[in-house]
Amino acid sequence: GENVEQHPSTLSVQEGDSAVIKCTYSDSASNYFPWYKQELGKGPQLIIDIRSNVGEKKDQRIAVTLNKTAKHFSLHITETQPEDSAVYFCAATDSWGKFQFGAGTQVVVTP
Amino acid sequence: DAGVIQSPRHEVTEMGQEVTLRCKLISGHNSLFWYRQTMMRGLELLIYFNNNVPIDDSGMPEDRFSAKMPNASFSTLKIQPSEPRDSAVYFCASSSSTGGTDTQYFGPGTRLTVL
Repeated sequence: GENVEQHPSTLSVQEGDSAVIKCTYSDSASNYFPWYKQELGKGPQLIIDIRSNVGEKKDQRIAVTLNKTAKHFSLHITETQPEDSAVYFCAATDSWGKFQFGAGTQVVVTP
Repeated sequence: DAGVIQSPRHEVTEMGQEVTLRCKLISGHNSLFWYRQTMMRGLELLIYFNNNVPIDDSGMPEDRFSAKMPNASFSTLKIQPSEPRDSAVYFCASSSSTGGTDTQYFGPGTRLTVL
C-alpha cells in the first residue's frame, strides 16, 4: 500500500524566514497531493493541493512542488508569520483513491 | 455555507458504555470519511462511504465499531462497548467526488475520552 513519509517532525523558524516541509510517497499511481494545516483543537484544513499533471502551484505565501519521478513533494511557506504556527500534514492518494497521511510537522514561528 | 458539523465536540464516558458520534456532511457532498487521530498512530482512515454506501471499512479496528449513513447528509459512528484505548479525536470529512481522490473537508472533531 501507499506509504507517506514526512520530514521534519518539528520545524522552528524566525518570523519572516521560509519554511520547507518535504514528503515522499511510494505508490507511483498516486495522483493527488493535498496539504492540510491543523491548529490546536481544530480539524485539519486544506491549504493547498496539487495534481500529478502539474509540477508547481502557488497561492500567495504558500507553494507546493511535485517531482513525480522522484516521488516527492514539498510545501514552501515564505515570509512566515506567527499565525503560520500549526501542525502541517501532507497526504497522497493510494491505488484505491484513499488518502495516506504523513505523520505531521509541528511548525513554530518565533517573533 | 456551513462546513462539516460534528457532535458532540467532547465526550467523556466510562469503559463499557456505548458512544455515538455524529456527523453532518457539507451540502451537496456525496462522500463521507471517518478518521481517528492519536499521537501514536496519527490520522487513520476508519471507513468511507460514497452515496450512502460503505466502500471500504478495512480501517475499522474491530466489531465494536460500526458506522452508518441513514441518509445522504448524515452519518454516525458507534462504539459499543467502549474501551480506554478508544480514546482519541475522531474526525469526519466530506467530499464531492465519486471516490477518495478529491479534496476532503474536515469537521472540527470529537474528542473522546474513555475512562
